[in-house]
Amino acid sequence: ILNVEQSPQSLHVQEGDSTNFTCSFPSSNFYALHWYRWETAKSPEALFVMTLNGDEKKKGRISATLNTKEGYSYLYIKGSQPEDSATYLCAFIVPGNKLVFGAGTILRVKS
Amino acid sequence: GAVVSQHPSWVICKSGTSVKIECRSLDFQATTMFWYRQFPKQSLMLMATSNEGSKATYEQGVEKDKFLINHASLTLSTLTVTSAHPEDSSFYICSARDQGEEQYFGPGTRLTVT
Repeated sequence: ILNVEQSPQSLHVQEGDSTNFTCSFPSSNFYALHWYRWETAKSPEALFVMTLNGDEKKKGRISATLNTKEGYSYLYIKGSQPEDSATYLCAFIVPGNKLVFGAGTILRVKS
Repeated sequence: GAVVSQHPSWVICKSGTSVKIECRSLDFQATTMFWYRQFPKQSLMLMATSNEGSKATYEQGVEKDKFLINHASLTLSTLTVTSAHPEDSSFYICSARDQGEEQYFGPGTRLTVT
């Protein structure tokens, strides 16, 4: 059974702090990794699709890196704002273009 | 961006009744739709994959006679939880994919069976 692990489970930071969390996945037969941002009562929103080892992608204050050889991806948020509060999900792509999700990291940013 | 809606957003039903959840792609044609379930503090777990006009493919451990999936058009898929029991209480969420690889998610449906 494929296992996608996310850590930490939850994180509370102050406005302005930078933060990062981890997604660990099987390093064999890698195809792609997705990051999603999921606010309460809304649809999960796609942040990044990571495909190549060493990939680094950025969207505003959020960036992500990928290491397929060791099986991890980091998501960084620079200068956290209250509106960044959400659950951040990573998902590993398996054959059939199916997503295997981690349990998510809940981020709460206090102003 | 692509928008997927789900209806209802929450539902309470009595044990033994059936509940239908709709998933619609509002501004694109979805060749494939996926249904996921999430129990508290757990991951989103794929239940089934449905392609328009054909039978759904269920993941191991998901009862196809209990969770009926219909994908009759390129913009609508439905999940019917038949003879619901309290253990079926969960968060159900769908996603839809067009010709590309990106999956666009609905906001989910909270089902409570009493």
